[in-house]
Amino acid sequence: GAVVSQHPSWVICKSGTSVKIECRSLDFQATTMFWYRQFPKQSLMLMATSNEGSKATYEQGVEKDKFLINHASLTLSTLTVTSAHPEDSSFYICSANPGDPGLGFYGYTFGSGTRLTVV
Amino acid sequence: AQSVAQPEDQVNVAEGNPLTVKCTYSVSGNPYLFWYVQYPNRGLQFLLKYITGDNLVKGSYGFEAEFNKSQTSFHLKKPSALVSDSALYFCAVRDWQGSTLTFGKGTMLLVSP
Repeated sequence: GAVVSQHPSWVICKSGTSVKIECRSLDFQATTMFWYRQFPKQSLMLMATSNEGSKATYEQGVEKDKFLINHASLTLSTLTVTSAHPEDSSFYICSANPGDPGLGFYGYTFGSGTRLTVV
Repeated sequence: AQSVAQPEDQVNVAEGNPLTVKCTYSVSGNPYLFWYVQYPNRGLQFLLKYITGDNLVKGSYGFEAEFNKSQTSFHLKKPSALVSDSALYFCAVRDWQGSTLTFGKGTMLLVSP
C-alpha cells in the first residue's frame, strides 16, 4: 500500500537554529503533500499544502518565513522551521493522497510524525 | 466551510463491550468521511472511509462506521472492544471538490481490562 516516510521521528534543537523535516512518498508520486501541526491532546491543524514545482499554499495565520516548504520532486517535500523558538515545539505530521484506485483513492496516508523540541 | 464535531473528549468502555465514538460533520455537497487512529507520538493510521455506496462501512481491526445523511453523522463502532483499541480517534471530512481534510478535535478511547 501507499507509504509516506517522515524523518526525523524526533529532534531537539537550540533556539535560533533551523530544523528540516523530510516527507517522502515511497511507492507513489505525490504532486501535493500536506503539513499539519498537532499540539498535545489537540487535533491536527493544517499548516500548508505543498505543491510540486510551485509555491506552497499556507493557511491563515501560518508564517511563511518561519515555516519554509519545498516540494522539489514528486516524492519529496520538506518543512524547515527557521530560527526555531520554544513555542515552535510541537508534533509535525505530513500527509499525501496517493490518488490511485489501487492505493486507496480518496484516502490519505500520513507520515509517522516528527516531535520537535526547541530548548 | 467544512467542519467536524466530535462531542466527546473521552470515551470509556470495558473490554468486551461495544463501543461508539461519535462524529457529526458539515460540508457542501456530498461528503467524503474518514476515521483515523493515533497512538502516542505516532502518525495517523487509516481505519475506514465512506465515499459512496452502503451506509455501513467496515474497516480495519474490526471497526465499522455508519453514514447517516439525515443526521450528518458518521459514528465509529466496534462490537467488542479490546484494551489495545485504547488510542486517540479522529474523524475527518472533505468535500467532493476539495483536496484538504478537516479533522475533528479527536476522542480518546480508553478500554479497561
